[in-house]
Amino acid sequence: GAVVSQHPSWVICKSGTSVKIECRSLDFQATTMFWYRQFPKQSLMLMATSNEGSKATYEQGVEKDKFLINHASLTLSTLTVTSAHPEDSSFYICSARIGGGNNEQFFGPGTRLTVL
Amino acid sequence: GNSVTQMEGPVTLSEEAFLTINCTYTATGYPSLFWYVQYPGEGLQLLLKATKADDKGSNKGFEATYRKETTSFHLEKGSVQVSDSAVYFCALSGSTNAGKSTFGDGTTLTVKP
Repeated sequence: GAVVSQHPSWVICKSGTSVKIECRSLDFQATTMFWYRQFPKQSLMLMATSNEGSKATYEQGVEKDKFLINHASLTLSTLTVTSAHPEDSSFYICSARIGGGNNEQFFGPGTRLTVL
Repeated sequence: GNSVTQMEGPVTLSEEAFLTINCTYTATGYPSLFWYVQYPGEGLQLLLKATKADDKGSNKGFEATYRKETTSFHLEKGSVQVSDSAVYFCALSGSTNAGKSTFGDGTTLTVKP
């Protein structure tokens, strides 16, 4: 149980286009989802926390107009990288938390974004 | 705020060697502690966890004990295999701080046959 999926697993796009990444909790309802960015050989950097039905909370230094997060249901959150540029190329990972005293996060497999 | 300090890598071992990856933490309250493993090109997989002091998490031969007195959660395995080669992340998550997790920098383990 507690499976999180991400789609797509990889995407290549041209500079200036927007890319949407989906994060789904497949067999549980996630009160909270998190979006991370990971550069090669580095740790995860938390970008934002999203709760279903409310606005995402962005970490300091993360542009909310650049990285749009929508958490429309208890099983789906989306991250849209708007007007992507090569420096946005990275590995994006989402996680989902059941809540209710359970602190464990369940991670998706990640999405590799390459902007040409 | 919360922080996690992990042993710097990379770590290179021969097959069947003993593994220790040190992890210490700073946190308010009583966090849960986790070890995650990441294989190349993949997301994070939970390896083991402990939710309170003196708990021992174990999985696939790996163990870690939640030591409140030393604020540590060191990862150990008695005999590593080539397939254990990966990046290991220590992390904590508390009931405060909106449930966010704090991660260590990761330790790359390479096991040679």
